[in-house]
Amino acid sequence: KNQVEQSPQSLIILEGKNCTLQCNYTVSPFSNLRWYKQDTGRGPVSLTIMTFSENTKSNGRYTATLDADTKQSSLHITASQLSDSASYICVVKEYNQGGKLIFGQGTELSVKP
Amino acid sequence: DSGVTQTPKHLITATGQRVTLRCSPRSGDLSVYWYQQSLDQGLQFLIHYYNGEERAKGNILERFSAQQFPDLHSELNLSSLELGDSALYFCASSVGGGHTDTQYFGPGTRLTVL
Repeated sequence: KNQVEQSPQSLIILEGKNCTLQCNYTVSPFSNLRWYKQDTGRGPVSLTIMTFSENTKSNGRYTATLDADTKQSSLHITASQLSDSASYICVVKEYNQGGKLIFGQGTELSVKP
Repeated sequence: DSGVTQTPKHLITATGQRVTLRCSPRSGDLSVYWYQQSLDQGLQFLIHYYNGEERAKGNILERFSAQQFPDLHSELNLSSLELGDSALYFCASSVGGGHTDTQYFGPGTRLTVL
């Protein structure tokens, strides 16, 4: 069964610190992997999209990595800010005609002053 | 603001009823996607339309249906509502239907079934 699993489920860090969120997937065939940020009660916002051949992609203070061999990805947040408090969702797209998105359950990040 | 609009913002209805959720994609986007987000299930893909045609179906119940109109807006119809249908329903749009297209999400419609 195609699945996306994220860890940790929740994380509390102090403002200014770095953190890394993990994502493991079993989706096949694989098209691409996306990281989204979702503030409470709002729609997800795309942070990065990586295809099979991409190992790293950055978007400001967010850096995503992808190891397609081990089917693992990480999202590293540098110099965290209070506004980074949100749910971070790892999403894998299937490579077929439908191209369905499979969502992880998300990591709830809380940045404290 | 993603440029995707959804109406209504909130909807409260009773079991057995039927509701229609509306989505207007970003200007120029041909693809519309519908998602359901409930507390216990997380985000789930329901259906994808591209330029009026159904492209892909996810975990969409038979009681649910959708369509995309010639002006590219889309509607999600939910019928014979059950308590378990209470959730946030998001619409997203993208330029095409390509595999690496960025999807822009709307603010969602919160449906409460009593």
